[in-house]
Amino acid sequence: GAVVSQHPSRVICKSGTSVKIECRSLDFQATTMFWYRQFPKQSLMLMATSNEGSKATYEQGVEKDKFLINHASLTLSTLTVTSAHPEDSSFYICSARDLGGGKGELFFGEGSRLTVL
Amino acid sequence: AQKVTQAQTEISVVEKEDVTLDCVYETRDTTYYLFWYKQPPSGELVFLIRRNSFDEQNEISGRYSWNFQKSTSSFNFTITASQVVDSAVYFCALSEYLKSGANSKLTFGKGITLSVRP
Repeated sequence: GAVVSQHPSRVICKSGTSVKIECRSLDFQATTMFWYRQFPKQSLMLMATSNEGSKATYEQGVEKDKFLINHASLTLSTLTVTSAHPEDSSFYICSARDLGGGKGELFFGEGSRLTVL
Repeated sequence: AQKVTQAQTEISVVEKEDVTLDCVYETRDTTYYLFWYKQPPSGELVFLIRRNSFDEQNEISGRYSWNFQKSTSSFNFTITASQVVDSAVYFCALSEYLKSGANSKLTFGKGITLSVRP
């Protein structure tokens, strides 16, 4: 079935550095991908909708300059956490819908756990 | 605005017991999708089911069954004869229904932590 892959799965960085997380649809094309954030023992909150070839659409309260999203191709979206701080530590998950076949399910990546020291 | 309520936060059962996870939703849309996802300790989200709002037939898949009641805005999930491997966080989610489906983002409930003891 359709697969969405995220890399890296875990990253630890120092405060002030930038971290890039990749989200790839491995066997289907995705014009739209979604980035979610999940705090420990909490639900997933949508951060932004990543659109191939155009700017991302951010949810209210999400800092665009802090969380840079680039949808470079039909199979790749990246989330860059700029000048990361400890409060940015979280679990980030991307998703994409396979419209090409099957039932159009929304598939999620494995998630990326960011720890900022 | 869309909202998903999972009133149960934690459920603990003994293996082989049946367990029902409740989900109540709010939406002004007349057509929409409902989902259930499983999140094991490893963190990834595993798709379990998607149901569109105009299909109220209940569904059974092995030990899993879903009861969609539009009249009460509920989409409950039952695991029959639970197993230890069922231990996970379960999320109910709602999205608007768009023809293309591409831009429909999900609104998640807070999740239910299910612990199945041997």
